[in-house]
Amino acid sequence: DARVTQTPRHKVTEMGQEVTMRCQPILGHNTVFWYRQTMMQGLELLAYFRNRAPLDDSGMPKDRFSAEMPDATLATLKIQPSEPRDSAVYFCASGSPRGRGYEQYFGPGTRLTVT
Amino acid sequence: KNEVEQSPQNLTAQEGEFITINCSYSVGISALHWLQQHPGGGIVSLFMLSSGKKKHGRLIATINIQEKHSSLHITASHPRDSAVYICAVDTDKLIFGTGTRLQVFP
Repeated sequence: DARVTQTPRHKVTEMGQEVTMRCQPILGHNTVFWYRQTMMQGLELLAYFRNRAPLDDSGMPKDRFSAEMPDATLATLKIQPSEPRDSAVYFCASGSPRGRGYEQYFGPGTRLTVT
Repeated sequence: KNEVEQSPQNLTAQEGEFITINCSYSVGISALHWLQQHPGGGIVSLFMLSSGKKKHGRLIATINIQEKHSSLHITASHPRDSAVYICAVDTDKLIFGTGTRLQVFP
């Protein structure tokens, strides 16, 4: 059955290193979301794309985070340089329109630890 | 004040009990989502609703747009229902509640 895939599942890196997380949305979904989950803040939206165009990235620290969707099968979230406060689980979700909202399917997440 | 408030924060129940989790919001929305997150961390979308009521198996979700309130009900609860349940409102982007941690004991 169709699923959102994310790689890597786990990443441990040192402060200052570049981190790239990848997401493969469900084929045919035109919207991709990036979320971050921490114990302190819970789930929060970082950015989302519709038809590969960035629609909202206001939740993302612009100085170090970047999100792109080079083609319909790949979305990336990059952190450069990484900092310990970036340690979190990063979820990607892809969605299809249904009614007035978007039904969303979540990937398994990338657990990032920055030391 | 958070834009999305959930109650209770923690809930324990005996197997078989009827469970209700509440969500109130203060912004205009196009839809409301109920999500389930198991201890392993995976997130599953349970419901997306804009009005009325939806049912899936033992789960029922209702929403009252005028009162800006939604409830998630679990009938005949089971230990496998133990998870964190998260309410999220769709305002062109999702705003999440802090979640309700449910533990169902045999």
